[in-house]
Amino acid sequence: SAVISQKPSRDICQRGTSLTIQCQVDSQVTMMFWYRQQPGQSLTLIATANQGSEATYESGFVIDKFPISRPNLTFSTLTVSNMSPEDSSIYLCSVEAPGMNTEAFFGQGTRLTVV
Amino acid sequence: GQNIDQPTEMTATEGAIVQINCTYQTSGFNGLFWYQQHAGEAPTFLSYNVLDGLEEKGRFSSFLSRSKGYSYLLLKELQMKDSASYLCAIRSNDYKLSFGAGTTVTVRA
Repeated sequence: SAVISQKPSRDICQRGTSLTIQCQVDSQVTMMFWYRQQPGQSLTLIATANQGSEATYESGFVIDKFPISRPNLTFSTLTVSNMSPEDSSIYLCSVEAPGMNTEAFFGQGTRLTVV
Repeated sequence: GQNIDQPTEMTATEGAIVQINCTYQTSGFNGLFWYQQHAGEAPTFLSYNVLDGLEEKGRFSSFLSRSKGYSYLLLKELQMKDSASYLCAIRSNDYKLSFGAGTTVTVRA
């Protein structure tokens, strides 16, 4: 199984600022995804982080608000830009590992509160 | 697209059995997952089904019928620590996960 380290685990940020969340995997993975879970709701996919090219965003999410980097097969970042209280959520990194397609792994999540 | 339905809440007694149903409609199916999520924590993988039938793992079992677009998660010998939200998720052919709204299970003594 893949071990995912996500940080920070939580943060409280001022509105208008930006926060970058890091996701580090202990092995090379083909697919990396970023999800959001707003309070009391289920998980929603933000984007697929593509290695060496621009991320693929789902409907309702744009690069200017959620820029994503993926410089290699083990690391990705998600930035939440120009934050507002509506961005208060848990943000989760998920990976699919080669040969391990019977499980989708999640990081520990980043609990973000915007004040 | 995906449409995934599961009950909002269920309550059961410690030691009992609870069955959480999940029905889905999807344009591309590449497996169904069940996750457990305690409040404030990340989801924890419970089970994966891609073929029809029952997968058993200790106190937890999961069933899938692809023709009916139906799955259930069976929790046996309920313990207080099983009180959590249970998420049904469909993986599409591009490996993206779509989640149901989750079922909150409350276990009472």
